[in-house]
Amino acid sequence: DTGVSQDPRHKITKRGQNVTFRCDPISEHNRLYWYRQTLGQGPEFLTYFQNEAQLEKSRLLSDRFSAERPKGSFSTLEIQRTEQGDSAMYLCASSLSEGTGGYTFGSGTRLTVV
Amino acid sequence: AQSVSQHNHHVILSEAASLELGCNYSYGGTVNLFWYVQYPGQHLQLLLKYFSGDPLVKGIKGFEAEFIKSKFSFNLRKPSVQWSDTAEYFCAVNGAGGGNKLTFGTGTQLKVEL
Repeated sequence: DTGVSQDPRHKITKRGQNVTFRCDPISEHNRLYWYRQTLGQGPEFLTYFQNEAQLEKSRLLSDRFSAERPKGSFSTLEIQRTEQGDSAMYLCASSLSEGTGGYTFGSGTRLTVV
Repeated sequence: AQSVSQHNHHVILSEAASLELGCNYSYGGTVNLFWYVQYPGQHLQLLLKYFSGDPLVKGIKGFEAEFIKSKFSFNLRKPSVQWSDTAEYFCAVNGAGGGNKLTFGTGTQLKVEL
């Protein structure tokens, strides 16, 4: 197992374009989380899934943000009509539902909106 | 709502100096506490965690942290730092019933000079 994989590592997009990021969790982990990290801040929780069910999405920053995990394995995070303020590192993490082992984080996708 | 405060934003130490990074949290119930480290160019990695039991927790690379419930604190310590400890350190808390989602502090950037 190679840990949590995120793709792409970097994305530069023009304002107004849509972007989609992918996360492949550790295979036996049934929980998957998305976080956003901006410069000088700690990661900020966005949403999480248990298997294919999205259990909390209230922290998604606006209705331009959506996430899916259709088969309970990989997940995608989509941002529509990107704005410059969306520039950040988007982190994915996975864990077992018991959570005692902590999270395993991916390397993140750095989004730059120009 | 849970929150985490890390009071030291930047710390510079010489090799072999002792380290203590402060972390205070705000949450009224049972908490799980974590320290994560992010080395330059790498993803977040778990240093140590506290769930229950002995409030003095030992982690990887000689780090330890002490949970003091009365002070709502979980400070990170290392008796003798090395140049390779240069990294950003994040304290995080997960309140019971919080679905395993972590709330992070803003991080402490540690630089160890030779």
